[in-house]
Amino acid sequence: NAGVTQTPKFQVLKTGQSMTLQCAQDMNHEYMSWYRQDPGMGLRLIHYSVGAGITDQGEVPNGYNVSRSTTEDFPLRLLSAAPSQTSVYFCASSRTGNTEAFFGQGTRLTVV
Amino acid sequence: KQEVTQIPAALSVPEGENLVLNCSFTDSAIYNLQWFRQDPGKGLTSLLLIQSSQREQTSGRLNASLDKSSGRSTLYIAASQPGDSATYLCAVRRLGTSGSRLTFGEGTQLTVNP
Repeated sequence: NAGVTQTPKFQVLKTGQSMTLQCAQDMNHEYMSWYRQDPGMGLRLIHYSVGAGITDQGEVPNGYNVSRSTTEDFPLRLLSAAPSQTSVYFCASSRTGNTEAFFGQGTRLTVV
Repeated sequence: KQEVTQIPAALSVPEGENLVLNCSFTDSAIYNLQWFRQDPGKGLTSLLLIQSSQREQTSGRLNASLDKSSGRSTLYIAASQPGDSATYLCAVRRLGTSGSRLTFGEGTQLTVNP
């Protein structure tokens, strides 16, 4: 079982560069979410989606874009990376809004 | 705004001890509460999910309870082992502007000493 797969695992960007963090799940889950994890801040919700074509903002959406064209994929785009976006990013999915959430292994991003 | 607090932030115990981790939340209008384990440099592994209508869930040496009215959950680990060393996170799921969302505590870092 692949579950939730995130790529890449590690990435170093220069300030101002753009990139896309990939997230894919093979469980036919409707809900998908992106979180960032920072020391002393815990996990904070960036964006989430309740189904293909539907997205909404979380606590810390600024500087990030998402779209959900298929059930399986939920990419996170950084349009112009900033050092404040240095973090570990996690993607999660759940079958519905009231069921168990499963997480990917994370992407460690450093912006210099 | 929902806030989730985990106490203690860190805990060190000898192997074999039974222990309790605490999680409290400010808004009792939740769908469910989920406990996770996170090993250093790794993702989150789901341990137990308790729906808002349930009082407890058990899996092996783990038992999680939920008291929604008082905004509290506990994770009980029986006969702790060095392999239990990790950070334990609780998260509550509540209604958002479109669908539901998880709010996390900052975790309890557990060390079980041989």
